[in-house]
Amino acid sequence: KNEVEQSPQNLTAQEGEFITINCSYSVGISALHWLQQHPGGGIVSLFMLSSGKKKHGRLIATINIQEKHSSLHITASHPRDSAVYICAASPPYNTDKLIFGTGTRLQVFP
Amino acid sequence: DGGITQSPKYLFRKEGQNVTLSCEQNLNHDAMYWYRQDPGQGLRLIYYSQIVNDFQKGDIAEGYSVSREKKESFPLTVTSAQKNPTAFYLCASSIGLAGAYETQYFGPGTRLLVL
Repeated sequence: KNEVEQSPQNLTAQEGEFITINCSYSVGISALHWLQQHPGGGIVSLFMLSSGKKKHGRLIATINIQEKHSSLHITASHPRDSAVYICAASPPYNTDKLIFGTGTRLQVFP
Repeated sequence: DGGITQSPKYLFRKEGQNVTLSCEQNLNHDAMYWYRQDPGQGLRLIYYSQIVNDFQKGDIAEGYSVSREKKESFPLTVTSAQKNPTAFYLCASSIGLAGAYETQYFGPGTRLLVL
């Protein structure tokens, strides 16, 4: 079992829909990262959070430390949101490394 | 513009050949990383460096080598000892270590294919 699990693996949506991507982790963490990988391969860091909620535009990330779970929400989804979304955990036992999930592939159709 | 550049975008390797992937950053970041990405798997750490002239092995360092002679450069060599080198390679950097409260900035990646 991976230490960081994401669900669903694949997700399709119609433009305008509200989207939720989930990330569960089995390790204690010092921070949880959400990343976006575009079809060309480039990766952009979206959020880094250790508690509560963060919002940037139409993206919202939440984390529940007790339940070891984080969610990434996209409001009013758009075809340009189509990408792979990756969560990654920073374990406190080794602060040099991130543990990555396998990603959720999102396709938003017009 | 500040950022990370990787070259080439595509690289072909013949059997028994060593190839070097370039990674340069002008963000003045201390830490740099090399990751390998395979279909259906999460990113895996190959090597990382916190400071010039120092680097540490990641989870899958066998068959790879790196150098960090300059702060802005962290080239990765895929040696002939790496038996399954076909993958997408990503370089990243951060102000310090990524473990806590550090955002990583990624390059566009190099896709390595074996002929």
